[in-house]
Amino acid sequence: DTGVSQNPRHKITKRGQNVTFRCDPISEHNRLYWYRQTLGQGPEFLTYFQNEAQLEKSRLLSDRFSAERPKGSFSTLEIQRTEQGDSAMYLCASSLALEGPNTEAFFGQGTRLTVV
Amino acid sequence: GEDVEQSLFLSVREGDSSVINCTYTDSSSTYLYWYKQEPGAGLQLLTYIFSNMDMKQDQRLTVLLNKKDKHLSLRIADTQTGDSAIYFCAEPNSGNTPLVFGKGTRLSVIA
Repeated sequence: DTGVSQNPRHKITKRGQNVTFRCDPISEHNRLYWYRQTLGQGPEFLTYFQNEAQLEKSRLLSDRFSAERPKGSFSTLEIQRTEQGDSAMYLCASSLALEGPNTEAFFGQGTRLTVV
Repeated sequence: GEDVEQSLFLSVREGDSSVINCTYTDSSSTYLYWYKQEPGAGLQLLTYIFSNMDMKQDQRLTVLLNKKDKHLSLRIADTQTGDSAIYFCAEPNSGNTPLVFGKGTRLSVIA
């Protein structure tokens, strides 16, 4: 397993377009998280899944943001009608939900979105 | 809600010790974490400490936890240029679920 994989690594889009990012977690991990990181800030939690169930989505930034994990494996994050303020690094992480320190959350390298 | 505060910058000379500090708000956190982010890379878990401990040592890293003051620190001994990165303190959101991160401390190591 090569770890958490995110595609694309970079995305430049025009304002108003829709974008979709993909995250492939570590194969045995049942939890998958999406975070957004803007310059000079720490990662900001957006949403997470346990298997295919989306357990928290109230932190999604607006109704233009949505995420899916249809088969409990890979996940997609979609932003509709992008705005310049959506420009950021979008990070995905996965972990195995067990007792203990929530096991280590492994992060992907992120997708950097630039909205022009 | 949970809030994690860190100083933003730290500069040290190579070979010196670095101490990065963090304060958190959720006293029910069972674990507290330190992550490292190098330029252009994702976050890497460095270490974590269970809330019933007050110290954990792992090679050059020492984590100190003052639960009364809700203060966490990361000490890096013999700091090397490869330690230059942003270090994030994180605590779980209530219910031991998603992590809440501080803004990160940018460590610069001067040769």
